[in-house]
Amino acid sequence: QSALTQPPSASGSPGQSVTISCTGTSSDVGAYSYVSWYQQHPGKAPKLMIYDVNKRPWGVPGRFSGSKSGNTASLTVSGLQAEDEADYYCNSYAGSNNYVFGTGTKVTVL
Amino acid sequence: EVQLVESGGGLVQPGGSLRLSCVVSGFTFSDPYMDWVRQAPGKGLEWVGRIKNKAQSYTANYAASVEGRFTMSRDDSKNSLYLQMNSLKTDDTAVYYCARDWSTALSSWGQGTLVTVSS
Repeated sequence: QSALTQPPSASGSPGQSVTISCTGTSSDVGAYSYVSWYQQHPGKAPKLMIYDVNKRPWGVPGRFSGSKSGNTASLTVSGLQAEDEADYYCNSYAGSNNYVFGTGTKVTVL
Repeated sequence: EVQLVESGGGLVQPGGSLRLSCVVSGFTFSDPYMDWVRQAPGKGLEWVGRIKNKAQSYTANYAASVEGRFTMSRDDSKNSLYLQMNSLKTDDTAVYYCARDWSTALSSWGQGTLVTVSS
């Protein structure tokens, strides 16, 4: 199972929006609505930000949103804040009780 | 408060074995599926495997990269999750996280334990 493809980096100024893509195949992202997104600050454990493509866990700010079209899922962070600077990883169910993560995207707040 | 605490990491030689533990609190451990995820130094996240609950016969599934070498187990009476790692390779060097599986996502994570495979 190959890792999902994410851009290595993305950036935006405070208050702007940034969108991160996560491209898989018709066997993972395209086949299931089980895409999740994780935020990871340096030296810390990942934190769940989005699940089931576009649902936010309790406590996650509404400026984080998710979507999917075909084999590509996306995470959008609106109204960027300094604390949003982190690495972001997507994850998808890949069938047969297997999961696959994305390659990761480093988001920089300019 | 939900807490997951991993232990058991350390330095091991190639071909060796190691057993990781994850003790949880703050939720009913016997209910959810549980996962292990690893992260090699400076690299991205890699899903290692998942173990289901008693209702699903504690069935475990693994990533191809560890299938046949790693075994997941759990002791619901001790609120504990385990990862037995055999035939370790240098590529297995990573921080290993345990995580609670919730609605096909990983809702809670431990802080991780570092495994270094080196001669």
